[in-house]
Amino acid sequence: GQNIDQPTEMTATEGAIVQINCTYQTSGFNGLFWYQQHAGEAPTFLSYNVLDGLEEKGRFSSFLSRSKGYSYLLLKELQMKDSASYLCAVFNQAGTALIFGKGTTLSVSS
Amino acid sequence: DAGVTQSPTHLIKTRGQQVTLRCSPKSGHDTVSWYQQALGQGPQFIFQYYEEEERQRGNFPDRFSGHQFPNYSSELNVNALLLGDSALYLCASSLRDGTVNQPQHFGDGTRLSIL
Repeated sequence: GQNIDQPTEMTATEGAIVQINCTYQTSGFNGLFWYQQHAGEAPTFLSYNVLDGLEEKGRFSSFLSRSKGYSYLLLKELQMKDSASYLCAVFNQAGTALIFGKGTTLSVSS
Repeated sequence: DAGVTQSPTHLIKTRGQQVTLRCSPKSGHDTVSWYQQALGQGPQFIFQYYEEEERQRGNFPDRFSGHQFPNYSSELNVNALLLGDSALYLCASSLRDGTVNQPQHFGDGTRLSIL
């Protein structure tokens, strides 16, 4: 089976750095995704990791360790607009559909 | 370049009724997946369509059915609606590529409320 765990809520202040962790158990690994979802809106693609290591994209970075079943999303120089739910997802065994965690709601305050 | 579009935006139905939701994929995409997102939860996979056939299905009852048209657009049908079907229904499109797992792009969803 497949299972994804991530914290329910996190808070941070503007300008700070926050790390959102995700652990997963999967019967076959085909890649891990991070999506951002603002309230009432569609999830938007942030990053995709299939190999171990850090992928950097502007203020956002994502890390993967396949041996530990672990990933994190790092957000730097936080802005108020970063307040959203962050969804960790892995591909199912067939590599076609996404299995999502429950999401981490990040609240950024001034 | 139009992204994934879904209609309607909101819908209110009563128990026992039937509903049809529609999705047009992002230009250049040929695969459509449907997800159900309950409040405070992550999206859950319903099924995926490619070449007008259901290719994979999640853990949802037969009341949930779908269709894909030759222009790649898709419909999700739900029969005998239950209160528990109240959720945000998301459509995601992607390009099927046998060598690379393409990211799925999501529409804004249809908010379905069952009274």
